[in-house]
Amino acid sequence: NAGVTQTPKFQVLKTGQSMTLQCAQDMNHNSMYWYRQDPGMGLRLIYYSASEGTTDKGEVPNGYNVSRLNKREFSLRLESAAPSQTSVYFCASRPFGDRITEQYFGPGTRLTVT
Amino acid sequence: QKEVEQNSGPLSVPEGAIASLNCTYSDRGSQSFFWYRQYSGKSPELIMSIYSNGDKEDGRFTAQLNKASQYVSLLIRDSQPSDSATYLCAVNGFNKFYFGSGTKLNVKP
Repeated sequence: NAGVTQTPKFQVLKTGQSMTLQCAQDMNHNSMYWYRQDPGMGLRLIYYSASEGTTDKGEVPNGYNVSRLNKREFSLRLESAAPSQTSVYFCASRPFGDRITEQYFGPGTRLTVT
Repeated sequence: QKEVEQNSGPLSVPEGAIASLNCTYSDRGSQSFFWYRQYSGKSPELIMSIYSNGDKEDGRFTAQLNKASQYVSLLIRDSQPSDSATYLCAVNGFNKFYFGSGTKLNVKP
């Protein structure tokens, strides 16, 4: 049982390049989330998917797109990377329906845009 | 914009002391509250969750919630050097989570 996995672990992009961050969970969770964490700051929600087939914007969606490919996988795409998107990106999943259930986090992807 | 506020610290306590971490939130509709611990370079891990007013204890950790004051706290008793980390407060409402910027705790041997 791997939990939440993310690929890649590290990535360096040049300004204007595109890439997709991959996230998968094997816990049969309904909800999945993408966050970014900048130095000295908490996590900010980029997008989330309450269930398969649905996605919604979070606090900082500009410059990102997401795809809930199936129940297991939730990808985050940067179409034209900018230095302001340099950050650590965390994916999380959560069972749906119980208000007190926690989120389970992946190990993170460290992205640098030069 | 829903806000979750924490003192960034660092909070320094001697080993064996009680560490007290505080968090306030702006949205009165918030339903549940979480404390995560995050070691440097690692992902957050859950310490405590609480959704009813009052105290909830789990081992050395006690979470306290006061919805009228929009305040949630975490007490760590018998602090250990291994508790040194950043503690993130998270607030949940309608399947969205909002995090504070975290309080860095240093426990000195």
